[in-house]
Amino acid sequence: DIQMTQSPSSLSASIGDRVTISCRASRTISKYLNWYQQKPGRAPQLLIYATSSLQSGVPSRFSGSGSGADFTLTVNSLQPEDFATYYCQQSYSIPYTFGQGTRVDIK
Amino acid sequence: QVQLQESGPGLVRPSETLSLTCVVSGYDMTSGHYWGWIRQSPGKGLEWIGSIYHTGTTFYNPSLESRVTISADTSENHFSLKFNSVTATDTAVYYCVTAVSGTTGDFAYWGLGTLVTVSA
Repeated sequence: DIQMTQSPSSLSASIGDRVTISCRASRTISKYLNWYQQKPGRAPQLLIYATSSLQSGVPSRFSGSGSGADFTLTVNSLQPEDFATYYCQQSYSIPYTFGQGTRVDIK
Repeated sequence: QVQLQESGPGLVRPSETLSLTCVVSGYDMTSGHYWGWIRQSPGKGLEWIGSIYHTGTTFYNPSLESRVTISADTSENHFSLKFNSVTATDTAVYYCVTAVSGTTGDFAYWGLGTLVTVSA
């Protein structure tokens, strides 16, 4: 199985901050990396697929980059509704696997 | 807009079979897409269980494959999960999902999730 490791596990930020979350795969996964946002008591929501493609309806302040085994999610100008847990997930090979999550809370 | 809704018992006894159904609305399953199940528990995080195409082709997480069956009833526009010989470690929130058109593992749509507890 491909292991997905996110860093940091949690971070504190203020409204308007730029936030970056890293995700590393245990081996190369080409561009097959997705990002999800999850709020308490709710299902995860797809933000970005294939490394950098923004899912329909997702604000443009979210962006993704990377290739191979190292990827980044960036949130420009953090908004109140962005405080949540973020997960990366590889769709390169079965079994599809997720990172352990990065919790973003208010500083 | 695709909508998914899980249903099934919230409590299953150890060694018995967990059965869940996902009703699809807003989309005809036979038009395409892969349909699947993901679970989330505090101990294991998010775990992909398996997926099915409307033709019946399935693929599973190898670590769970011996206990899992996913099937689809396209005439009723729903798909199902059966998970046998459950233990307490199978306690989780179970989500039904579907992938972005043309992909198998980019999970664009999720049900609300249903908590299944395995306990005597």
